[in-house]
Amino acid sequence: DQQVKQNSPSLSVQEGRISILNCDYTNSMFDYFLWYKKYPAEGPTFLISISSIKDKNEDGRFTVFLNKSAKHLSLHIVPSQPGDSAVYFCAARNTGGGNKLTFGTGTQLKVEL
Amino acid sequence: EAGVVQSPRYKIIEKKQPVAFWCNPISGHNTLYWYLQNLGQGPELLIRYENEEAVDDSQLPKDRFSAERLKGVDSTLKIQPAELGDSAVYLCASKAAGVDNEQFFGPGTRLTVL
Repeated sequence: DQQVKQNSPSLSVQEGRISILNCDYTNSMFDYFLWYKKYPAEGPTFLISISSIKDKNEDGRFTVFLNKSAKHLSLHIVPSQPGDSAVYFCAARNTGGGNKLTFGTGTQLKVEL
Repeated sequence: EAGVVQSPRYKIIEKKQPVAFWCNPISGHNTLYWYLQNLGQGPELLIRYENEEAVDDSQLPKDRFSAERLKGVDSTLKIQPAELGDSAVYLCASKAAGVDNEQFFGPGTRLTVL
């Protein structure tokens, strides 16, 4: 039972354009959401997060949007840069459930010149 | 600041052999996690430690997997005996105290069971 879903295994975007990565979840107990970025042969690194009491969080080129009614969040990267090419994982947490993170399957982003 | 250190980075063994992975978390991080990541999947939690106590090991296959964090710092994850299906990346992560602090991941150990 996949509680966090990333339905697009890959995404290709031109440099300078916007990248939009999507994530859906099914567990209404999730109250905190995170995006991690992973380069080959490295561990995931934290990128940005959002609490369920907010609908938007912005950090430089990265913005995460949360639509609780739709159980959907998205990560916007603008402008996209070649160094953004990586696998992006969406993760969700039920804070009352021991801080366990549930990850999606990831989306491979490729930013082309 | 040094990150999470894991060793070895790669390990190839034959099935039925034992294998162990080592993790040194970021200094001062009292929470330590072991994750399993299969190809094309996201990390899945195996076990979580708060200091030396395993507070969530519900996803750890206890018939063949074991873990320890004796002094609340370094941790070891062991598989005995390994099976073909154990081939995966084993990730260690650590987190400072505080509910909203993020987890920092190590580079992982890629295990191949032949």
